[in-house]
Amino acid sequence: GAGVSQTPSNKVTEKGKYVELRCDPISGHTALYWYRQSLGQGPEFLIYFQGTGAADDSGLPNDRFFAVRPEGSVSTLKIQRTERGDSAVYLCASSLMSTGGNEQYFGPGTRLTVT
Amino acid sequence: AQSVTQPDIHITVSEGASLELRCNYSYGATPYLFWYVQSPGQGLQLLLKYFSGDTLVQGIKGFEAEFKRSQSSFNLRKPSVHWSDAAEYFCAVGAVETSGSRLTFGEGTQLTVNP
Repeated sequence: GAGVSQTPSNKVTEKGKYVELRCDPISGHTALYWYRQSLGQGPEFLIYFQGTGAADDSGLPNDRFFAVRPEGSVSTLKIQRTERGDSAVYLCASSLMSTGGNEQYFGPGTRLTVT
Repeated sequence: AQSVTQPDIHITVSEGASLELRCNYSYGATPYLFWYVQSPGQGLQLLLKYFSGDTLVQGIKGFEAEFKRSQSSFNLRKPSVHWSDAAEYFCAVGAVETSGSRLTFGEGTQLTVNP
C-alpha cells in the first residue's frame, strides 16, 4: 500500500514569501504529525492532528506557522513571511491511532530552502 | 519534559564488526522508546520499539535494543554490520500519559561502514 507522501519534495522560496507544504497520510490513519528537521539535528515536533482538529500545536515556533487538516486526511503546513531560519526538511508522519506508542510512519519530507 | 541524548555524533565500524549505538533518555515514568533509521533522501524507518515487558527487543534488519531503567538507556546493537547499514540512526522517546504520543528525538548518530 502507499505510504505517507509529501509534496513538493523540494521548495525554494525567497525570504518574505508564503509557502504551503502538503502531506498525504496513509489511508485510514487518524493521527497526523508534522516535524521539522534542521541540518545535523533530529526531527522536532511541530503539531499533531487527531482527525480534523489540531490536538497539540505547542511545537509551532511562532504565529507565522499554521497547519490545517480540513477533512481529516490531507494536511497542509503553511508558513507566512518565510525567514532564512525556516530552511529545513519538514517531515510528516501518520499513525493508525493517537494513543501512545502507535508507530508513526514518516514521509520522505519536503526540503524547504529560503533564500 | 522528555529528552533524548545520543552521545556519539559519528561512529565508524568495519563491515562484519559488532555495533552498539548509545541512547539515554530523560522521562518521569516508563517511556515508549524507539529507534529509527534514516538513509539519504529517505524517510525515517522504524527499526524497533519498546513499550513494556521484555527489556530486550528485537527489530528489523537484525537489530536489537535493551531497555535499562536503572541507566535510563536504550542502546541499539547489531552483532555483524553490513555495508547497507550505513545511515543515520535516531533514538526517540514518546510520552505514555498523554494522547498523541509526540516523539522527542535525539540528535542522531551517523554510522559509516568501512569495507
